[in-house]
Amino acid sequence: KQEVTQIPAALSVPEGENLVLNCSFTDSAIYNLQWFRQDPGKGLTSLLLIQSSQREQTSGRLNASLDKSSGRSTLYIAASQPGDSATYLCAVSGGGSSNTGKLIFGQGTTLQVKP
Amino acid sequence: ETGVTQTPRHLVMGMTNKKSLKCEQHLGHNAMYWYKQSAKKPLELMFVYNFKEQTENNSVPSRFSPECPNSSHLFLHLHTLQPEDSALYLCASSLRGDGSYEQYFGPGTRLTVT
Repeated sequence: KQEVTQIPAALSVPEGENLVLNCSFTDSAIYNLQWFRQDPGKGLTSLLLIQSSQREQTSGRLNASLDKSSGRSTLYIAASQPGDSATYLCAVSGGGSSNTGKLIFGQGTTLQVKP
Repeated sequence: ETGVTQTPRHLVMGMTNKKSLKCEQHLGHNAMYWYKQSAKKPLELMFVYNFKEQTENNSVPSRFSPECPNSSHLFLHLHTLQPEDSALYLCASSLRGDGSYEQYFGPGTRLTVT
């Protein structure tokens, strides 16, 4: 059974700092990994999708890496801003026996960027 | 805006009521999903529809009944719910439901069962 873990659960940093969020998964037979952002009480915004054959994806100040063999992904946020404050969720597709598109989510990392 | 809309955004219902949640996607996708987000728990898949056919039911109680009349619309019919069913219900869509494609989420329906 696929399980996804995110560390740390919460993070508070001063504005301008570079930071790394971690995600690990137990079954390396994934199709892809997605990073999402969720603002309080809102839906999810997709940030980056990494296919299982890829090592990293970049979008603006965000860079996500994937090491499938070790079951790990990191989300790097450069020059953090107060507007980056949100909960960041990691989710994997596949692994175990499912290929229906089912996403397995981690608990999330709640980020606070202080001005 | 992600191209996925959900109505209503907030719903309060008693345990004996019957209500329905609606999701609509304007992205030309063929797969749609219902997820449940409870406090203190990870987001959890409920149902998957691919080309209008249900391909996954994640052991969801029968008081939740999904309906997918076409690839653009997805409903979740609710009846005799319990207070522990109070949660944020999120709909998502993707081009196909085979695990290869990015999923786009709606804003969610905040459900409170009294």
